[in-house]
Amino acid sequence: AQSVTQLDSQVPVFEEAPVELRCNYSSSVSVYLFWYVQYPNQGLQLLLKYLSGSTLVKGINGFEAEFNKSQTSFHLRKPSVHISDTAEYFCAVLKWGAQKLVFGQGTRLTINP
Amino acid sequence: NAGVTQTPKFQVLKTGQSMTLQCAQDMNHEYMSWYRQDPGMGLRLIHYSVGAGITDQGEVPNGYNVSRSTTEDFPLRLLSAAPSQTSVYFCASRLTGTDSNQPQHFGDGTRLSIL
Repeated sequence: AQSVTQLDSQVPVFEEAPVELRCNYSSSVSVYLFWYVQYPNQGLQLLLKYLSGSTLVKGINGFEAEFNKSQTSFHLRKPSVHISDTAEYFCAVLKWGAQKLVFGQGTRLTINP
Repeated sequence: NAGVTQTPKFQVLKTGQSMTLQCAQDMNHEYMSWYRQDPGMGLRLIHYSVGAGITDQGEVPNGYNVSRSTTEDFPLRLLSAAPSQTSVYFCASRLTGTDSNQPQHFGDGTRLSIL
């Protein structure tokens, strides 16, 4: 079975600083990878996804993620964060051909002015 | 576009009471699912459905029932509420079949407290 580990439960950063949110997965088969964002008191929205092809994926709001098959990682990055990026971020994995999306525990990103 | 609509947004129950959380989507998505979100545990799948008349269990199905009589609706029933079911519940939908890698669309959640 696949699993997802988000290595940091909370990440505080200063405004305009770069940020990296880490995600590692385990699976014996090929997977699709997703990052979702949850703003306070809202549902989840898709930030970006990796299906195949280029390992660097660009998403909305200036975020990007890199798929590293050898390290089984899919870390999320942004070169310069804004106050509006304050949210909880979830990494998720879907095994090829499967229906069930498996989520990590979430990382709460807090931006300090 | 309404997307995924969940009702109610908030609910307080007493232990032992029953209730149904409603979920409806207007995107003609075959796949629908229910998750619960608890601090430090991410989202855990309760039940899911790949089409009308078909449901299956997820990671944490105990204490919950579902049915899927139409493509649009996927209600979640708590037969006898327990304090351990205090959580935020999210419904999600997406296309299925060969498009299983399509992103899920989430509702805004139902915040449920069991006293």
